[in-house]
Amino acid sequence: AQSVAQPEDQVNVAEGNPLTVKCTYSVSGNPYLFWYVQYPNRGLQFLLKYITGDNLVKGSYGFEAEFNKSQTSFHLKKPSALVSDSALYFCAVLSSGGYQKVTFGIGTKLQVIP
Amino acid sequence: DGGITQSPKYLFRKEGQNVTLSCEQNLNHDAMYWYRQDPGQGLRLIYYSQIVNDFQKGDIAEGYSVSREKKESFPLTVTSAQKNPTAFYLCASSIKGARTEAFFGQGTRLTVV
Repeated sequence: AQSVAQPEDQVNVAEGNPLTVKCTYSVSGNPYLFWYVQYPNRGLQFLLKYITGDNLVKGSYGFEAEFNKSQTSFHLKKPSALVSDSALYFCAVLSSGGYQKVTFGIGTKLQVIP
Repeated sequence: DGGITQSPKYLFRKEGQNVTLSCEQNLNHDAMYWYRQDPGQGLRLIYYSQIVNDFQKGDIAEGYSVSREKKESFPLTVTSAQKNPTAFYLCASSIKGARTEAFFGQGTRLTVV
C-alpha cells in the first residue's frame, strides 16, 4: 500500500518570507514523488518530481523540494513567497515496485499575505 | 498548441440521466486518467488507461464507465448508478504511465439538479 499525508490544511505566509508546505509518504520500495499546484477552478499543474539522485529537486516558478528518506518526507519550499503563489498544492507518491497508480494527498491551501 | 482539453466546463445532470464528459489530448501520450475531486478529499482515481483499447478501474469506478478507442480520446460516462456525482472531474495524461508527470485538463464541474 502507498499513502501520502499533507498535515496542514492551510499555510499562511507573508509575502517575501520563505514558505514550506509539508508532505510525508509511505510506500513499499523506493518512491517517486511529485508536487502539483492548482489554481481555483483549474486543473493541476506539475511543479517538480523526485525519482532518484540529488535530494534537493528544483522545479517551476522558483519552487524546490527536499527528499528525506529517513523521515519519509518531501517538503515543498520557496525562499521568497509571492502573492501569486496562493493556490492549492498537492503532493503525490508512487511506489517504484507497486502497480502503476499515483496516490495524491488531500492538498494544502497556501495563502500568501501581502 | 499541445494540451489536454476537457468539455464541457460546466455540466448539469438530472436524476437518472447518464452524461458523458469529453477528454481529448494532442500530446501523443499513451496513458490517460480520470480523477474526481471533492473538497477535503484530494483527487481520487476513477479509471485509467495505459494503451488504446485497454483500461483499468481505479479506486472509485462504481457508477462510471470509460472507453479508449483512440489514443487521443478518453471519454468518461457518469451513469445513473453513481449516487453522488456532483464533483469536479479532472482528466490527465502522461507520456508513459504513472512514473512520468501528468498533464491535466481544466476540469468539468458536474452538478446534479
